[in-house]
Amino acid sequence: GAVVSQHPSWVICKSGTSVKIECRSLDFQATTMFWYRQFPKQSLMLMATSNEGSKATYEQGVEKDKFLINHASLTLSTLTVTSAHPEDSSFYICSGRTENTEAFFGQGTRLTVV
Amino acid sequence: AQSVSQHNHHVILSEAASLELGCNYSYGGTVNLFWYVQYPGQHLQLLLKYFSGDPLVKGIKGFEAEFIKSKFSFNLRKPSVQWSDTAEYFCAVNARTGGFKTIFGAGTRLFVKA
Repeated sequence: GAVVSQHPSWVICKSGTSVKIECRSLDFQATTMFWYRQFPKQSLMLMATSNEGSKATYEQGVEKDKFLINHASLTLSTLTVTSAHPEDSSFYICSGRTENTEAFFGQGTRLTVV
Repeated sequence: AQSVSQHNHHVILSEAASLELGCNYSYGGTVNLFWYVQYPGQHLQLLLKYFSGDPLVKGIKGFEAEFIKSKFSFNLRKPSVQWSDTAEYFCAVNARTGGFKTIFGAGTRLFVKA
């Protein structure tokens, strides 16, 4: 299957700082990318959908000013957690898809805010 | 809105027992259906998918799932589980009319006793 790579796989940051997570589709062009959040022992909750060159569409309850998503090219989307707080600590997962395929998932990024 | 319901949150089986995990979705349009597995400490892996055609889908590692449209179900089965099948299993659905947002069920945590 197609490969989606996330970087970094693990990050620790201080409360109040911002963190950027990258999501790259390595061998296909992802017209749509999705960002999910997974709390311990819970399922994946969709945060937002982004189409290349367009503003992201956020799910209800997700603060768009806190979780900035950029999808500048067909192979790269970024999620920036701004002014991070300990409650933002979580596992963030991205996925990418083309028009006629299922979504391919990245390996996830574990964010710890101290 | 799309939703996915997994009936069992925790399942404990002995090795060689048969497995069936229930999954129902609430969406009337044409859907794509998936089962993902997440082994402890690892990222999501696709077990199998249904887009169209034969409603009985074979996946990796001996898993299969049957799409029953009239019941809005996509149950996962394996005739004989192994200790290495201990993991969390997620049913997921997406649809064109939903922007292909993949929505996940709550997950079923399977523990196989050796």
